[in-house]
Amino acid sequence: GDSVTQMEGPVTLSEEAFLTINCTYTATGYPSLFWYVQYPGEGLQLLLKATKADDKGSNKGFEATYRKETTSFHLEKGSVQVSDSAVYFCALSPYNDYKLSFGAGTTVTVRA
Amino acid sequence: KAGVTQTPRYLIKTRGQQVTLSCSPISGHRSVSWYQQTPGQGLQFLFEYFSETQRNKGNFPGRFSGRQFSNSRSEMNVSTLELGDSALYLCASSYETGYAGNTIYFGEGSWLTVV
Repeated sequence: GDSVTQMEGPVTLSEEAFLTINCTYTATGYPSLFWYVQYPGEGLQLLLKATKADDKGSNKGFEATYRKETTSFHLEKGSVQVSDSAVYFCALSPYNDYKLSFGAGTTVTVRA
Repeated sequence: KAGVTQTPRYLIKTRGQQVTLSCSPISGHRSVSWYQQTPGQGLQFLFEYFSETQRNKGNFPGRFSGRQFSNSRSEMNVSTLELGDSALYLCASSYETGYAGNTIYFGEGSWLTVV
């Protein structure tokens, strides 16, 4: 079945450091890929998405590129802020489907 | 445009009781799905409804059930509560586009504690 594997946390960084969170997936066909973020005590917020190979999703300085050849969707940000401290989830949904399969989540803490 | 609204936000129940959680999707969204989030199991898909019909179901026991109304609002019910049902229950909605990349929007969740 479909699955997502993302790098284990927690990740602790200093402000303005570079962030990368690795995410790989297993799926048949052409899934859509997503990154969601969860701040303490809150629900999930969509950070970015990509729907086909080589698509780049971007939002709030975060970027991720859909790499079909390596089945990956790594999240990157060039300069993190304290406000980026959260749990980040990589997820996929099969084509034209509404069921998300999530990775385990990566906790990111940014220190001033 | 209002987001996905879930009620109640927090609740405490006793083992053996049952609970009903409510979800109002974003206006115009007809697909509603439910997820359970726990520290041990992470985020797991419960079920998805579209036009009052269950279209997809995850691997949960029959104690977990749901329904969707004609106005797309949805409820999920858990009967005979167990301690392990303590979790954050997230509702999500999506607009049926027929194309890839249907964005799924989540609510703030309902925190259920079973004692």
